[in-house]
Amino acid sequence: DTGVSQDPRHKITKRGQNVTFRCDPISEHNRLYWYRQTLGQGPEFLTYFQNEAQLEKSRLLSDRFSAERPKGSFSTLEIQRTEQGDSAMYLCASSLLRNSGNTIYFGEGSWLTVV
Amino acid sequence: DQQVKQNSPSLSVQEGRISILNCDYTNSMFDYFLWYKKYPAEGPTFLISISSIKDKNEDGRFTVFLNKSAKHLSLHIVPSQPGDSAVYFCAASAIRGGADGLTFGKGTHLIIQP
Repeated sequence: DTGVSQDPRHKITKRGQNVTFRCDPISEHNRLYWYRQTLGQGPEFLTYFQNEAQLEKSRLLSDRFSAERPKGSFSTLEIQRTEQGDSAMYLCASSLLRNSGNTIYFGEGSWLTVV
Repeated sequence: DQQVKQNSPSLSVQEGRISILNCDYTNSMFDYFLWYKKYPAEGPTFLISISSIKDKNEDGRFTVFLNKSAKHLSLHIVPSQPGDSAVYFCAASAIRGGADGLTFGKGTHLIIQP
């Protein structure tokens, strides 16, 4: 399978604990994105990387959130001191930017439930 | 301020007929538009896209129409099939403006009835 893969697919954690999600993008893609989706809403942009550089962060990304892409390949999204409001699906996506457009391909998502 | 709007939360269509999903946007900087399909507990799957230099793009049963003056796009699915039942998201980006992340609408739940 050469699509975007995310791990774990589901995570239940107690409030106050830290969680980390991993994303492996499509191999030739140079851009990697993190989105969050809650029920009844469309995906909301969190941050994106071009290679290893984090180029943009949404105001949704509080200080408790940190994302890395150390070697320009896989990425991790860590949430520290989780809160119940962090419960959502965290989506990773990747793309290969072309002049003709930027089609972003999503992974299956990682469900986070904070209890 | 929602920049991409899908005003119909749900749409019910009979199998074999045409499904038309609509999307409006407010940001005139948007120049690339995409439609995604999403099943429950899965990530969105890319369906079709259109650049602002075109007004129509077709791929099999799926056609996207763009009306820039009205800031409106639509997705036509014909004929509709049971497997098309899903939530459809419209998304937009402003490539030339350097904002590469997608802005999504809230989605339309399409239900294909037998």
